[in-house]
Amino acid sequence: AQSVTQPDIHITVSEGASLELRCNYSYGATPYLFWYVQSPGQGLQLLLKYFSGDTLVQGIKGFEAEFKRSQSSFNLRKPSVHWSDAAEYFCAVGPYGGSGGYQKVTFGIGTKLQVIP
Amino acid sequence: NAGVTQTPKFRVLKTGQSMTLLCAQDMNHEYMYWYRQDPGMGLRLIHYSVGEGTTAKGEVPDGYNVSRLKKQNFLLGLESAAPSQTSVYFCASSYGKLRNTEAFFGQGTRLTVV
Repeated sequence: AQSVTQPDIHITVSEGASLELRCNYSYGATPYLFWYVQSPGQGLQLLLKYFSGDTLVQGIKGFEAEFKRSQSSFNLRKPSVHWSDAAEYFCAVGPYGGSGGYQKVTFGIGTKLQVIP
Repeated sequence: NAGVTQTPKFRVLKTGQSMTLLCAQDMNHEYMYWYRQDPGMGLRLIHYSVGEGTTAKGEVPDGYNVSRLKKQNFLLGLESAAPSQTSVYFCASSYGKLRNTEAFFGQGTRLTVV
């Protein structure tokens, strides 16, 4: 069964500092990978996704993520954090193959990002 | 463009009461989903629908029922609410299969069962 681990429940960074949020997945083949962001009181919004090809994926709001098959990781990065980036971030994994019906996407438990001035 | 709209946004129920959460999307999406979000557990899929008139069970369906009579609406019902159903509920929709397309989420419904 597929699973997602976000080892950091809560991270605090200073505004302007770089950010890396960790995500490790467990899946028997090449997965689809996603990062979603949830601002306070809002639903989730897709930041970026990886399906195949270039392992460095660019997303919205200046975020990027790198797929590393050897480490089963899909870490989210941003070179310079803004106060508006304070939110909760969810990594998710879905199966690559299969046809028909619903293909389950598994979400991690989330990492809450606090940005201090 | 409203996207995905959930009503109500907040609700307090007494144990044993029933209620229906409404989700409406204006993007002509085929797929719709109901999730619950609990601290330390991420998002868990309750029920989903792959098109008008269809519904299917997700990971945690017990105590909930759903209906998709119209393509744009997906209703989640609690027949007899229990304190364990205190949670934040999110509706989402997608054009295609969730594994390879973006999901659009509503703002959530915070439900408290006392």
